[in-house]
Amino acid sequence: GAVVSQHPSRVICKSGTSVKIECRSLDFQATTMFWYRQFPKQSLMLMATSNEGSKATYEQGVEKDKFLINHASLTLSTLTVTSAHPEDSSFYICSARGPVIYGYTFGSGTRLTVV
Amino acid sequence: QKEVEQDPGPLSVPEGAIVSLNCTYSNSAFQYFMWYRQYSRKGPELLMYTYSSGNKEDGRFTAQVDKSSKYISLFIRDSQPSDSATYLCAMSGNSGNTGKLIFGQGTTLQVKP
Repeated sequence: GAVVSQHPSRVICKSGTSVKIECRSLDFQATTMFWYRQFPKQSLMLMATSNEGSKATYEQGVEKDKFLINHASLTLSTLTVTSAHPEDSSFYICSARGPVIYGYTFGSGTRLTVV
Repeated sequence: QKEVEQDPGPLSVPEGAIVSLNCTYSNSAFQYFMWYRQYSRKGPELLMYTYSSGNKEDGRFTAQVDKSSKYISLFIRDSQPSDSATYLCAMSGNSGNTGKLIFGQGTTLQVKP
């Protein structure tokens, strides 16, 4: 089946530093990947749509200069949280659209804690 | 009004019970309907994927879509403690790779032994 690998699974960083999260489709090519943010006991909030070879499309209210997305290849998208602040602490999840039968496949998520 | 409404629960049932999870939606353009299961601190896992109206069965799970009522359901038969998780409905109206998923709030299910 379609597998999406997301790393790291957990990261702690200091305020003001940047953190990069990687999302890889392991056995299929994904021209489009999605980045979500999830707060405790809440649903997934779409942050941006990542398109291979072009700029990401951000949802309303998401700061594109703070959440940098790069989709350099058909199997890799990265999310960089720049100048992180404690309020950026959250669970970040990526997903990719695989073959139709699989729908959307999600990564295992990254727990970011900014101290 | 949210595009997709889902009762957040929590829902607590005894082992072996039949569980019914539901979502309603307002956008008639939705054509692809999915149910995901999410364990704590993990990414969502696809359970069922349905196109348009109808029923789909996979083991203990049955998904139903009623587009005329804009209502979808997931039934879990013979529920097990391992089914304890958050269940998210999701839907999309775009068949292409750029289609965005719209999620419900998620229902937390606890199956007690």
